[in-house]
Amino acid sequence: AQSVTQPDIHITVSEGASLELRCNYSYGATPYLFWYVQSPGQGLQLLLKYFSGDTLVQGIKGFEAEFKRSQSSFNLRKPSVHWSDAAEYFCAVGEYGNKLVFGAGTILRVKS
Amino acid sequence: NAGVTQTPKFQVLKTGQSMTLQCAQDMNHEYMSWYRQDPGMGLRLIHYSVGAGITDQGEVPNGYNVSRSTTEDFPLRLLSAAPSQTSVYFCASSYSARSTISYEQYFGPGTRLTVT
Repeated sequence: AQSVTQPDIHITVSEGASLELRCNYSYGATPYLFWYVQSPGQGLQLLLKYFSGDTLVQGIKGFEAEFKRSQSSFNLRKPSVHWSDAAEYFCAVGEYGNKLVFGAGTILRVKS
Repeated sequence: NAGVTQTPKFQVLKTGQSMTLQCAQDMNHEYMSWYRQDPGMGLRLIHYSVGAGITDQGEVPNGYNVSRSTTEDFPLRLLSAAPSQTSVYFCASSYSARSTISYEQYFGPGTRLTVT
């Protein structure tokens, strides 16, 4: 069965520091992988996606993620975090981007 | 374009009541789906539709019905509400259900449902 694990429930980083959010997946076929962000009380916004090609993908708001097939991972990174990045982040795997299976989410807090 | 719209934003039901959560999209998207979000569990797929007249079950379909009579609308019906259905419900849509090209799913703003 497909599954997504986000090992960190909460992460706190200082403004300006680098960020890495971890995501591990289990999927039988070639995975379509996504990172979404959710601000409090809002819907989900797509940050970036991977389904083929270059394993380092760039997204919006300065985020990037690297697909590592050997580790079944798709970690999200940002070199310098801004206070406005505080939100909940979800990793997801799915079929062509549909029928998504989500991780439990990681709540990011940013210290000023 | 309004994107994906959901009504109502908030709803309180008593156990055993029924209601319909509305979802509409104006992007002519083929694929639509419903998720529920519970703390610590991410989002879980309830039902989805690959086009008008075609629906299928997701991971957690029990207690919910859907229909898709038009491309634009995909209502979610709670037949007899239970406290376990207290959750935030999100509707989403994407351009294509059957392409090998990955299309983004667009999410609505959500409906917060409380069942007492």
